[in-house]
Amino acid sequence: GDSVTQMEGPVTLSEEAFLTINCTYTATGYPSLFWYVQYPGEGLQLLLKATKADDKGSNKGFEATYRKETTSFHLEKGSVQVSDSAVYFCALRTGANSKLTFGKGITLSVRP
Amino acid sequence: GAVVSQHPSWVICKSGTSVKIECRSLDFQATTMFWYRQFPKQSLMLMATSNEGSKATYEQGVEKDKFLINHASLTLSTLTVTSAHPEDSSFYICSATATSGLGYTFGSGTRLTVV
Repeated sequence: GDSVTQMEGPVTLSEEAFLTINCTYTATGYPSLFWYVQYPGEGLQLLLKATKADDKGSNKGFEATYRKETTSFHLEKGSVQVSDSAVYFCALRTGANSKLTFGKGITLSVRP
Repeated sequence: GAVVSQHPSWVICKSGTSVKIECRSLDFQATTMFWYRQFPKQSLMLMATSNEGSKATYEQGVEKDKFLINHASLTLSTLTVTSAHPEDSSFYICSATATSGLGYTFGSGTRLTVV
């Protein structure tokens, strides 16, 4: 079945540091890939997405490229801020309006 | 943008009682609702999928008689945890989508603690 593997956390960085959160997937067919963010006390919010190979999703300074050859969708940001502290989930979906399969999530803490 | 309102945000109940969690789509018609459960330091696990007016489809291992899902209208879905026990303590999140392909909109979640 479909699965998403995220790097183990938590991750603690200083403000303005470079961020990489690894995500790899296993899926039948050609999935769409997502990054969701969950701020403390809130629900999940879509951060970015990519629907086909080599697509790059970007939002709020975050980027992720759909790499079919390595089945990866790593999240990057060049300079993190304290306000980026949250839990980040990688997810995939195969088929429109079908269920999302999530990774375990990783907690990011950014120190001033 | 699309908003899903989930209530309550947290609830504490006694073992053996039932708890109802509501999710309402405020500005769109939620044709499909997904209910997830999240354990500490773990991912969201899909419990069931419900389409308006139809019976919910439960994932393997989820007790449908314990987790009752109702999706009677296009704007409201409920999850009732019946005869709750401490092992049911968890974070429950709903997610709604419409046939127009707007994507998934998540509720803010409900922290259930059974004592």
